[in-house]
Amino acid sequence: AQSVTQPDIHITVSEGASLELRCNYSYGATPYLFWYVQSPGQGLQLLLKYFSGDTLVQGIKGFEAEFKRSQSSFNLRKPSVHWSDAAEYFCAVARGGIKAAGNKLTFGGGTRVLVKP
Amino acid sequence: DGGITQSPKYLFRKEGQNVTLSCEQNLNHDAMYWYRQDPGQGLRLIYYSQIVNDFQKGDIAEGYSVSREKKESFPLTVTSAQKNPTAFYLCASSVAGQVTNEQFFGPGTRLTVL
Repeated sequence: AQSVTQPDIHITVSEGASLELRCNYSYGATPYLFWYVQSPGQGLQLLLKYFSGDTLVQGIKGFEAEFKRSQSSFNLRKPSVHWSDAAEYFCAVARGGIKAAGNKLTFGGGTRVLVKP
Repeated sequence: DGGITQSPKYLFRKEGQNVTLSCEQNLNHDAMYWYRQDPGQGLRLIYYSQIVNDFQKGDIAEGYSVSREKKESFPLTVTSAQKNPTAFYLCASSVAGQVTNEQFFGPGTRLTVL
């Protein structure tokens, strides 16, 4: 069965510092991976996604993520954090083949990011 | 503007009562989804629908029911059979057909059982 682990429940980072959020997945086939962000009390917004090709993917809001098959990881990074980046971040893997009936996602437990001034 | 609306934002229910959460989208998406979010557990799929008049159970469907009579609407009913219904509920939609299609989320409904 597919699973996604986000080892860090909370991360506190100073404004202007770099940020890295860890994501490890367990999935037998080619994974389709996503990072979403959720502001407090809101829905989720897609930051970036990886399907194939270049293992370093760029997303919105200055985020990037690197897919490492050997480590089953898809870590999210940002070189310089802004106060508005304080939110909860979710890694997800899509289940099934590319044309599976229903693009069901398995989500990790989330990492809450706090930004210190 | 295209998007997904969920209502109400906050909902309070007494034990033993059924309650229906609304989800409407004007993105012309065929696929719609309901997730439940609990602290530290991420999102878990309750039900999903790929097309009107058809839907499938997700990972935690027990105690929930849905209908899909219109493309734009996918209401979720939380029944009295759901043992622990207090949670944040999120509705999403996407273009159907491929697992790589982005899911767009509504703002959520927070349900509290008193």
